[in-house]
Amino acid sequence: GQQLNQSPQSMFIQEGEDVSMNCTSSSIFNTWLWYKQDPGEGPVLLIALYKAGELTSNGRLTAQFGITRKDSFLNISASIPSDVGIYFCAGQRIGGGADGLTFGKGTHLIIQP
Amino acid sequence: ETGVTQTPRHLVMGMTNKKSLKCEQHLGHNAMYWYKQSAKKPLELMFVYSLEERVENNSVPSRFSPECPNSSHLFLHLHTLQPEDSALYLCASSQVGQGNEQFFGPGTRLTVL
Repeated sequence: GQQLNQSPQSMFIQEGEDVSMNCTSSSIFNTWLWYKQDPGEGPVLLIALYKAGELTSNGRLTAQFGITRKDSFLNISASIPSDVGIYFCAGQRIGGGADGLTFGKGTHLIIQP
Repeated sequence: ETGVTQTPRHLVMGMTNKKSLKCEQHLGHNAMYWYKQSAKKPLELMFVYSLEERVENNSVPSRFSPECPNSSHLFLHLHTLQPEDSALYLCASSQVGQGNEQFFGPGTRLTVL
């Protein structure tokens, strides 16, 4: 089946630092999504990307849909303590259809004061 | 209630029990999903319902039985589960034809003894 390789697996950073994480796939996706999950909760959608090459921002978060449609990255600028959590990338094969998401294994972000 | 709700939030059951998980979406969406989240594994898609019809079943064992009586409600009926079925079960919903961003509930933490 399809797999997403998400890296890094975990990040230990200082408050105020910028963060970068990415996902790559052997298959093409038509939609890329980035989610954040806090302990005991479901994933919360951060950014959705629909077109190859698209660059989208949501506050301090910026994500890009790779031009080959096989990768995406998420950047967080000037990290703050509430950014702690697990970040997941997810790809969808069919844009706009009822299609399940393929998820990466997640990047665990830990911020040291 | 807003968003996607799931009940119960926690469930402990024996291998011979029968139980059901419930999901309700208050977003007016027309597609609903069940995912399984196990430790150190990516979220795994289990079932997809679009317009109340099952459109995908990812080779899930028959001891898991989904039901979608209407576009707002989704159930997962559990019967003679195994300890390895212990996981966080997440429900999601989306609006097919409009980007299909999936919004998740908080999950049900299931423990099978």
